[in-house]
Amino acid sequence: DGGITQSPKYLFRKEGQNVTLSCEQNLNHDAMYWYRQDPGQGLRLIYYSQIVNDFQKGDIAEGYSVSREKKESFPLTVTSAQKNPTAFYLCASRKISPVVEAFFGQGTRLTVV
Amino acid sequence: SQQGEEDPQALSIQEGENATMNCSYKTSINNLQWYRQNSGRGLVHLILIRSNEREKHSGRLRVTLDTSKKSSSLLITASRAADTASYFCATDSTGAGSYQLTFGKGTKLSVIP
Repeated sequence: DGGITQSPKYLFRKEGQNVTLSCEQNLNHDAMYWYRQDPGQGLRLIYYSQIVNDFQKGDIAEGYSVSREKKESFPLTVTSAQKNPTAFYLCASRKISPVVEAFFGQGTRLTVV
Repeated sequence: SQQGEEDPQALSIQEGENATMNCSYKTSINNLQWYRQNSGRGLVHLILIRSNEREKHSGRLRVTLDTSKKSSSLLITASRAADTASYFCATDSTGAGSYQLTFGKGTKLSVIP
């Protein structure tokens, strides 16, 4: 089935550790996005990419890094520089020509232990 | 910065009643979209309205857009307990070559059976 898949569903990180969240889509979508959601809050944009090997910072990029080596994949690394990483992370993708709706993965809940 | 601001933040209604949620935004847009999120899950697209449209319907959903007031509303008619979720508006801004999708903080809707 076509879709967008995030893994893992739950992730635990120790202080000072880098972790990578996976996001894969087989929808042939051009653009991919990473959002952070804190309890009871909206979605804040971390990074987005409109084309392979190119990406732009969103509103809260500090402490995060991404890569877009393949159209299907847009992994997010939460680095030790991110001081408060505990949150729900959502990945999305969509076509941009023409611009249409975004499709979301089921999210990864990251907890610092 | 978050582009859209939903109002109210929370809404509680009886089953069968109508629910209205509002969204205000700050900059010029190409389109505005509404999404739904069940607790702890990814977002699901509901409806997209383009900047040259004023009203759009989809089943029990009715969306209006007033670009002069930079606002939109989502009406859910004859609500059901299954409509309980958080609802978000998202905007596609008109920046050249930018496909950034920006979300508001959401309205949490509770439909009481």
